[in-house]
Amino acid sequence: NAGVTQTPKFQVLKTGQSMTLQCAQDMNHEYMSWYRQDPGMGLRLIHYSVGAGITDQGEVPNGYNVSRSTTEDFPLRLLSAAPSQTSVYFCASSYSDSEETQYFGPGTRLLVL
Amino acid sequence: ELKVEQNPLFLSMQEGKNYTIYCNYSTTSDRLYWYRQDPGKSLESLFVLLSNGAVKQEGRLMASLDTKARLSTLHITAAVHDLSATYFCAVESNFGNEKLTFGTGTRLTIIP
Repeated sequence: NAGVTQTPKFQVLKTGQSMTLQCAQDMNHEYMSWYRQDPGMGLRLIHYSVGAGITDQGEVPNGYNVSRSTTEDFPLRLLSAAPSQTSVYFCASSYSDSEETQYFGPGTRLLVL
Repeated sequence: ELKVEQNPLFLSMQEGKNYTIYCNYSTTSDRLYWYRQDPGKSLESLFVLLSNGAVKQEGRLMASLDTKARLSTLHITAAVHDLSATYFCAVESNFGNEKLTFGTGTRLTIIP
């Protein structure tokens, strides 16, 4: 198993540009989520999904959209990037309502100029 | 709103010493997770604590959970340099769907 994969690893955007961060998992996990990590603030939940076709907002959803058309993929879209969205983004997955941990992807470093 | 506080935020300790990292949370929960993160890397799962009184140990690390006190501890025994990393606790609300609220992390530096 590849686990949780994320692309790209690093991206530079100009303010106002749009882009999609990709996340995929091959463990047949129902639950997937996106977090952002900023210095001194830990990880904060952006959006999450408990299965294909179902998404919901986390703690900091503004400026981000998600969709879940398949179990494997959970892309995160920035429609109009802002400097405040400069961060490291992590995707995670797990079985729903399980006693197992969440598995994190390698992260995407995003710089918005 | 669930809040998770870790202390200390920074910890510098000598090899061979013992120390404890504390994780307090504000609302009822019986699921708590500890993760390790090396600089520039992703999060690695250390422990999953699922009930009051749970204790888990792996090598020089031991984690415990007291749900009544809303407190988890991560104890380091006879620290070695390889344990230098940032450690996060994360709490799942009882009424959430795997939604985790993270502490701000404890940056641990082991000095030879």
